[in-house]
Amino acid sequence: AQSVTQPDIHITVSEGASLELRCNYSYGATPYLFWYVQSPGQGLQLLLKYFSGDTLVQGIKGFEAEFKRSQSSFNLRKPSVHWSDAAEYFCAVGRPPQTGANNLFFGTGTRLTVIP
Amino acid sequence: DAGVTQSPTHLIKTRGQQVTLRCSPKSGHDTVSWYQQALGQGPQFIFQYYEEEERQRGNFPDRFSGHQFPNYSSELNVNALLLGDSALYLCASSLARSVGETQYFGPGTRLLVL
Repeated sequence: AQSVTQPDIHITVSEGASLELRCNYSYGATPYLFWYVQSPGQGLQLLLKYFSGDTLVQGIKGFEAEFKRSQSSFNLRKPSVHWSDAAEYFCAVGRPPQTGANNLFFGTGTRLTVIP
Repeated sequence: DAGVTQSPTHLIKTRGQQVTLRCSPKSGHDTVSWYQQALGQGPQFIFQYYEEEERQRGNFPDRFSGHQFPNYSSELNVNALLLGDSALYLCASSLARSVGETQYFGPGTRLLVL
C-alpha cells in the first residue's frame, strides 16, 4: 500500500533563505510523485511532478524536487524563499494508470511560515 | 482556459441532512476525482468517475455517492450527515490515458455540519 510521510509539520524560514521540505514515500514500484501547494482557504495548486527520467524536476515559482529511489524521498527545494511562498505544502504519490487506479495519496502537509 | 470550478464555496448543514456538491472539470478533461480534507490533514481520496461510472473508490462509507454527467461534470452526494463530515471537499480533474493523468484541483467546498 502507498503512504507518504512529511516529517516536518511546520517550518519557519527567513525571506531570502533557502528551503527544503522533506517527503518520504512507500510504494512497491516506481511511483508518480507530486508536490502541491495550498494557500489558506484555497484548493491545491500543482508545483511539480515526477513520472520518470531525470530525477531532478523543475516546477513553477522557482521550486525543484529531486527523486531519490534509494532513500524513497522526493524533497522539495527552493534557493531563495519569498514572503508569498508562505502556505501549506503537500507531497503526494500516485500509481501508474495502467494499474487501473490513479488516485493520489497525500502526506499530512508541511506549513511554511516566512519571516521578514 | 477555465480551470476546475466547484459550487457552492461554503455550506452549513445539520446532522442527518443530505448535501450535494458540484464540480466542473478543467476544459478537455474527462475524469473527476473527489477528496475530503479534514482540518489539519492532507486530502483523502473518496472516489473517481470516468465515462459516467465510478472507476475506483477509497475507504468511505456508501453514504458518500457520486455521479458524472455526459459533459464530464460531477456531483458528490453525502447522506445522513455526521459531525465528522465537516471538511473541505476538493474536486480534481484529469485526462484519462494521458501520461501520469495529472490531477488539477478546484478551490473546494467547505462543509460545516452542526
